[in-house]
Formats: sequence, structure tokens, C-alpha cells
Amino acid sequence: NAGVTQTPKFQVLKTGQSMTLQCAQDMNHEYMSWYRQDPGMGLRLIHYSVGAGITDQGEVPNGYNVSRSTTEDFPLRLLSAAPSQTSVYFCASSVDRGQSPLHFGNGTRLTVT
Amino acid sequence: GESVGLHLPTLSVQEGDNSIINCAYSNSASDYFIWYKQESGKGPQFIIDIRSNMDKRQGQRVTVLLNKTVKHLSLQIAATQPGDSAVYFCAENRAGNQFYFGTGTSLTVIP
Repeated sequence: NAGVTQTPKFQVLKTGQSMTLQCAQDMNHEYMSWYRQDPGMGLRLIHYSVGAGITDQGEVPNGYNVSRSTTEDFPLRLLSAAPSQTSVYFCASSVDRGQSPLHFGNGTRLTVT
Repeated sequence: GESVGLHLPTLSVQEGDNSIINCAYSNSASDYFIWYKQESGKGPQFIIDIRSNMDKRQGQRVTVLLNKTVKHLSLQIAATQPGDSAVYFCAENRAGNQFYFGTGTSLTVIP
């Protein structure tokens, strides 16, 4: 049972480039979400989805897009990378929103130069 | 305990001793709380959770205490082992909305 799988583990982008961070879960969880983790701050919610075809913005959504075409996959797209998006990104899933533990992937460390 | 800032609070304990990690949460209406463990280079790992209708919950070697009066959460780890060295942080949730996460406490276990 793989849980939540994120790819790539590391990525370096130049300012203005775009990319997609991949996230897949095999637990049949309806709820999926993306967080960023920055030094000195708690995890911050970027976008989330309560089921296939449904997405919504979190606390820090600017510069990111998501889609949820299947229950398993929840990719995060950076439209035009900026140095402020240098961070560690975590995908998480759970049975439902806010009343069950989140299961996290091992993260993608992104550097934008 | 946890705080907002550039430097994580740190806790060093001898192997075999008990550890207590604290968290002050922000919203008195929060009704669900989770403790996570994060090792270097890995994602947060669920340890234990507690709902606001409880004051205490025990797991294997871990106990979470909830004091709603002062909005305080603590994680007790019994007989701390070197493998317990990690960053620990709490998360709070109100009414099934988004989780809010603390900044964490770095625990170092001295062999």
C-alpha cells in the first residue's frame, strides 16, 4: 500500500517557467489537498478537493492551479514560477475534510531561481 | 512549546526519559486536533488525534492531553527512543474546515 505518492522529489525552475507537481493516492480518499511548508511557518493550504471534479482555494492559492479528474490524482500546476514559490510542497489525502487525519506524501522540494 | 518565528523550539531528552511537547492552539471553537511527527526529508506522519469532547487519549507510548480552558494541547512520549528524534507539530480544525498547523518543536533524543 503506497499511500500518497508525490513526484518529483526535487525540482529547480527558472523564474517564469511552469511545471506540474504530481500527487496520487491509492486509499480511495475523497479529500485531497496541497500544502506548502516554509521555514518558521506552519503548513499552509494552497488548494483542496472534496471529490473528483470539485476543487477550491485554500489560504495561499495565488500562482497555482489544480484539477481533480479522478479520485486518485490531484496535480498542482505552477503557472509562472516565482522565487517566492521556493518551498517544500506536500500533498495530503483523507477520508473526509477536517474530521479525519490527513495522510501526507514525502514532499517535493522546489527551488525557483 | 510551539511558537511562530524563525527558530523552532527545541527539546533535548535522554533516551529512556519521558518527553512532553506543548502546543497552544488559536481557536477556542476548534474541535479536532492532531499531532504529527516529521523526520528530516519526509512528510508529516500521523501520531494521534483527539476530539474536543475528550481530555485525554492514549496510544502506544504516546498520550495527548487537551485543556480547552487555556487552549493547550500536549503530547507525552513515554520512554523516548532515538527514533523519536524529529519535529513534532499540532494541527487544529473547527467544524470540518481546513486544518491549521503549528510551527513545530524539534525533539532530540540523546543516547
